[in-house]
Amino acid sequence: DQQVKQNSPSLSVQEGRISILNCDYTNSMFDYFLWYKKYPAEGPTFLISISSIKDKNEDGRFTVFLNKSAKHLSLHIVPSQPGDSAVYFCAASAVNTGKLIFGQGTTLQVKP
Amino acid sequence: GAVVSQHPSRVICKSGTSVKIECRSLDFQATTMFWYRQFPKKSLMLMATSNEGSKATYEQGVEKDKFLINHASLTLSTLTVTSAHPEDSSFYICSAHRGSHSNQETQYFGPGTRLLVL
Repeated sequence: DQQVKQNSPSLSVQEGRISILNCDYTNSMFDYFLWYKKYPAEGPTFLISISSIKDKNEDGRFTVFLNKSAKHLSLHIVPSQPGDSAVYFCAASAVNTGKLIFGQGTTLQVKP
Repeated sequence: GAVVSQHPSRVICKSGTSVKIECRSLDFQATTMFWYRQFPKKSLMLMATSNEGSKATYEQGVEKDKFLINHASLTLSTLTVTSAHPEDSSFYICSAHRGSHSNQETQYFGPGTRLLVL
């Protein structure tokens, strides 16, 4: 039972364009959502997060949007840079559990 | 940011042997550490929550006798894969929680350990 889903295994965009990575979840108890970036043979590194009381959080080139009614979140990267090429995981948690439930990941390739 | 290390980074062993993986928080104390497993092109699957000074809490479907977890100090948790078999081959990642659980951003991940069981 995959509670967090990233239905696109890969995404390719041109440098300078917008990258949009999507994530869906099924558990309505989740109230905190995070995006991680991961390179091969390395652990994930935190990128940006959003609480369920918000619908948008922005940090530089990265913006996360949350649609609670649709149980959907997305990560926008603009402008995309070749260094953004990595696997992006979304993760969800319920407050005070400390547990993170991850999606399958989306491999982003930004072409120069 | 905070640093979490894992040792070894990769290990190859024969079927039937036991393998110990260490996870250390290098510059902070972590009362809670998590162990994940990642199959190729799959998500990180939470295996267990390791609590300093108490027994680990395992996720459903994870054999506690197969994957022994010891959180002996505030900076070290170990995962021992006992009597390893080829199906245990995977990428194991730990994370250490810094601060309260209400701040999920303070969960820092180790670089992972690649286990190959022949």
